[in-house]
Amino acid sequence: DSGVTQTPKHLITATGQRVTLRCSPRSGDLSVYWYQQSLDQGLQFLIQYYNGEERAKGNILERFSAQQFPDLHSELNLSSLELGDSALYFCASSVAGAGLDEQFFGPGTRLTVL
Amino acid sequence: ELKVEQNPLFLSMQEGKNYTIYCNYSTTSDRLYWYRQDPGKSLESLFVLLSNGAVKQEGRLMASLDTKARLSTLHITAAVHDLSATYFCAVDSMYSGGGADGLTFGKGTHLIIQP
Repeated sequence: DSGVTQTPKHLITATGQRVTLRCSPRSGDLSVYWYQQSLDQGLQFLIQYYNGEERAKGNILERFSAQQFPDLHSELNLSSLELGDSALYFCASSVAGAGLDEQFFGPGTRLTVL
Repeated sequence: ELKVEQNPLFLSMQEGKNYTIYCNYSTTSDRLYWYRQDPGKSLESLFVLLSNGAVKQEGRLMASLDTKARLSTLHITAAVHDLSATYFCAVDSMYSGGGADGLTFGKGTHLIIQP
């Protein structure tokens, strides 16, 4: 158990819908990262937040957005969902998030878009 | 753009044998990670390699880093069935000087160890 929690574990929805995935980092960690894992794209970095502010963007679609709240939990919002958005979404956290420390991964949310 | 290549992508081996997984990356970085993933599960951190020549060992797994060759290896000694999993290497783009960024992963090596 890494100490990173994610909810829900599974999510099934239809095309065109919007969902929100939630992540709570390890106690003391200020940085949160979101990753997408799919069969065709592999593991891809989406976005990073540090202490409430966006720090880095990866291959995140415009239909996706994220935020980190004052209590440091983070939410990833996925809208206008398409079949290809079906994937495992991981959240990771680290202490500082400046490339100086290890990232610990949560259990993931499996999203299925029908 | 940082690229991370692993090979092989699929490996079936017998218990008791030794084998090595290779991870090449395209830009300068002094920080490389190895993760293990069981089917449908999260990523478990195995090793963090912080400098050129770094070598770390845990049980039957040993990882090394050669930053000059931009190469890391994960060596499995006397494999056992419990090591069956997918192994990923990842490079921290930020530490390679590209600015704050997440990890760039290889495609993973799917390892099956047969009795």
